[in-house]
Amino acid sequence: EPEVTQTPSHQVTQMGQEVILRCVPISNHLYFYWYRQILGQKVEFLVSFYNNEISEKSEIFDDQFSVERPDGSNFTLKIRSTKLEDSAMYFCASTKEIGYGYTFGSGTRLTVV
Amino acid sequence: GIQVEQSPPDLILQEGANSTLRCNFSDSVNNLQWFHQNPWGQLINLFYIPSGTKQNGRLSATTVATERYSLLYISSSQTTDSGVYFCAVETLINDYKLSFGAGTTVTVRA
Repeated sequence: EPEVTQTPSHQVTQMGQEVILRCVPISNHLYFYWYRQILGQKVEFLVSFYNNEISEKSEIFDDQFSVERPDGSNFTLKIRSTKLEDSAMYFCASTKEIGYGYTFGSGTRLTVV
Repeated sequence: GIQVEQSPPDLILQEGANSTLRCNFSDSVNNLQWFHQNPWGQLINLFYIPSGTKQNGRLSATTVATERYSLLYISSSQTTDSGVYFCAVETLINDYKLSFGAGTTVTVRA
């Protein structure tokens, strides 16, 4: 079964540093997403991406965050200057079309120290 | 936005017991998924079930879209069923993303 692949699985970074989280969505999927889950809390929507541009973003997705699809396969989330409160599990997801099932990656656990 | 409420918040089971988890949602949906979050934090998709009933081994799910709820049944629970179960929905109008409930934490004791 096709998978969404995320790397790295775990990243530790110092406060103020930039991090890039990487995702390879399923090849024939057209809609891409990033979600965040702070430890012990529910999974929150960050941003959706379609046709090479952001479709929607949440209040969490401020100027410190950006997304990019640099080539035909990768989808990245960049945090420019990390804060302690950015520590969370970040999930990438993709879907073929709206109303179709979403496939989630295994997540990247980001720890900011 | 849509409200997704899951109950109960916590559930403790003895191995072998059956259980039902509930998800209520506040608007019409075109997608509903159940996930199991394992101890490593991974979200495992259990069912894509915007309506009807599906079964997969000891797990089954039913969504009654007209009444805005879904149920996840775990039968003959095993310790490996422990974890957090999330319901997530996508609405019909201008909401092209999944919105998650707060989850039900299931602990199965041997």
